[in-house]
Amino acid sequence: GAGVSQSPRYKVAKRGQDVALRCDPISGHVSLFWYQQALGQGPEFLTYFQNEAQLDKSGLPSDRFFAERPEGSVSTLKIQRTQQEDSAVYLCASSPGNMNTEAFFGQGTRLTVV
Amino acid sequence: GENVEQHPSTLSVQEGDSAVIKCTYSDSASNYFPWYKQELGKGPQLIIDIRSNVGEKKDQRIAVTLNKTAKHFSLHITETQPEDSAVYFCAASSTDKLIFGTGTRLQVFP
Repeated sequence: GAGVSQSPRYKVAKRGQDVALRCDPISGHVSLFWYQQALGQGPEFLTYFQNEAQLDKSGLPSDRFFAERPEGSVSTLKIQRTQQEDSAVYLCASSPGNMNTEAFFGQGTRLTVV
Repeated sequence: GENVEQHPSTLSVQEGDSAVIKCTYSDSASNYFPWYKQELGKGPQLIIDIRSNVGEKKDQRIAVTLNKTAKHFSLHITETQPEDSAVYFCAASSTDKLIFGTGTRLQVFP
């Protein structure tokens, strides 16, 4: 089937605006991850879900960042009161196993805060 | 926490030559080491991975080696082609998260 799908592909937000980024993982994949990739850098971990449970949110940079996966499938990353330093590509990945199994990435959402 | 260093940051080779990218990690508990290829405007694509119970793995023109004692792993691409041009990331994991290196921009000139 299809790979990991993310929407929107591009988002421009005014500083202070709230945004919501969507991730549709590969069907049946247990694990879902969010990463943040700044320009010219490697992806940095934000948070991890196993089914609907958020098991690790240690990478979320502030309490303005919130992620959910209420039914263990689609996930949403929400950023409140966006700031310029939030500008980055937000990548979602899913994997069939619990930990340390192949992770497949979506194309990402490029967020630009102006 | 885990730290992954990657070298070189840029690599230019002639088509047909080999390319080698090296990474070191700090957490001795790391046991999974994937390599990703990222083309412009796309998400990272898994190209090969290795686990700590294996020293080497090969898939056609791509091979990865792991030295657990030295906490060092490398990606080897043989017979490079222009379509191999991209940014390559190594990563290491001991639990749920992948810790990525800073990337290597590989350019293959025809």
